[in-house]
Amino acid sequence: DGGITQSPKYLFRKEGQNVTLSCEQNLNHDAMYWYRQDPGQGLRLIYYSQIVNDFQKGDIAEGYSVSREKKESFPLTVTSAQKNPTAFYLCASSMSGFDEQFFGPGTRLTVL
Amino acid sequence: DQQVKQNSPSLSVQEGRISILNCDYTNSMFDYFLWYKKYPAEGPTFLISISSIKDKNEDGRFTVFLNKSAKHLSLHIVPSQPGDSAVYFCAASGGTYKYIFGTGTRLKVLA
Repeated sequence: DGGITQSPKYLFRKEGQNVTLSCEQNLNHDAMYWYRQDPGQGLRLIYYSQIVNDFQKGDIAEGYSVSREKKESFPLTVTSAQKNPTAFYLCASSMSGFDEQFFGPGTRLTVL
Repeated sequence: DQQVKQNSPSLSVQEGRISILNCDYTNSMFDYFLWYKKYPAEGPTFLISISSIKDKNEDGRFTVFLNKSAKHLSLHIVPSQPGDSAVYFCAASGGTYKYIFGTGTRLKVLA
């Protein structure tokens, strides 16, 4: 079955620690994205990648980092520099940047 | 500055009636629009899209209308079903890899 997987579904982190969220797709999509959703808000773009070994900052990239070493994988690291990391994180992919995006199930990160 | 706005945070509709969800945008460069449906604690699911060369697109019970002069699009669901109860997001793109999402409208279909 083709799709996007994110793990884990729930993640708890102590303040001051870095944490990496996993995103894997087997759709053979070129483009991948990370969004953040907060209560009552829309999806805000953190980072996106059009091709392997290339990525760009989105609207709220501060305190986050990504890598795109493989086409299938686009992990997101939430660093200790992110001031308000508790949120629901969504990964998405699309065939190209101009197509509809398909989303993973999301990871809820809670910083204690 | 919110470039894509969904001014109604919530909407309640009786089962079998029409649901109309609205979305306004400010950037005239946007030329491709998407609607997504989202259940709690899940990722959004793509519903329907429309490009700026069209003013209407239909897919089963879902129809999206685009009014470019008013910078307005709407999603019609007919007939509405209880399973349609979810949060609906519109998103817009202007020929780039970036989609701008609205804040969502929570639809509740009453049985």
